[in-house]
Amino acid sequence: NAGVMQNPRHLVRRRGQEARLRCSPMKGHSHVYWYRQLPEEGLKFMVYLQKENIIDESGMPKERFSAEFPKEGPSILRIQQVVRGDSAAYFCASSPIRDSYNEQFFGPGTRLTVL
Amino acid sequence: DQQVKQNSPSLSVQEGRISILNCDYTNSMFDYFLWYKKYPAEGPTFLISISSIKDKNEDGRFTVFLNKSAKHLSLHIVPSQPGDSAVYFCAASAHRNSGYSTLTFGKGTMLLVSP
Repeated sequence: NAGVMQNPRHLVRRRGQEARLRCSPMKGHSHVYWYRQLPEEGLKFMVYLQKENIIDESGMPKERFSAEFPKEGPSILRIQQVVRGDSAAYFCASSPIRDSYNEQFFGPGTRLTVL
Repeated sequence: DQQVKQNSPSLSVQEGRISILNCDYTNSMFDYFLWYKKYPAEGPTFLISISSIKDKNEDGRFTVFLNKSAKHLSLHIVPSQPGDSAVYFCAASAHRNSGYSTLTFGKGTMLLVSP
């Protein structure tokens, strides 16, 4: 059973471009969480999604950021018009049930660098 | 406002000795605490957790202690091994009204275990 997959692992964008980060949860997992880790910081919650639904986006910036988890395919975190401050590692985690803690399995992360 | 604090950015320990990693929190609504281990270029891996109804949880070489009155928890690793060298994140969770919760992470402590 493959783990949580994220691609690309590294992404370089120039200011003003769009960044699309993909997360494929573990097989059988229908809950996806996105976290961001800025340099020298801990991981910060961004958004929690179930299939086709955004449950909690309280940690996501109101502008330029959006997330989706369609019925088919991976979850996508989209950042429009990237700025240097968006440079960070973005991790997604998946879980098989709604209210789980130790069962949140993390992917390897996407390291976004904005030039 | 940092709700979960890991005040030691790094810790060096000799192989075979005990490693003690500390974590403080400020939000009294937190009711579940977790420790994650992270190697470079990988996602966090769940290590051990503790519910607020307990004050100790043990799993092999890893023990987590919770002092609710002091809002403090610690992770003990004994005996420490070189393979334990990693960044350790403390995380906390508070159930929300709708029955789910998200994780709040500390900044992490880098543990180096030398042979």
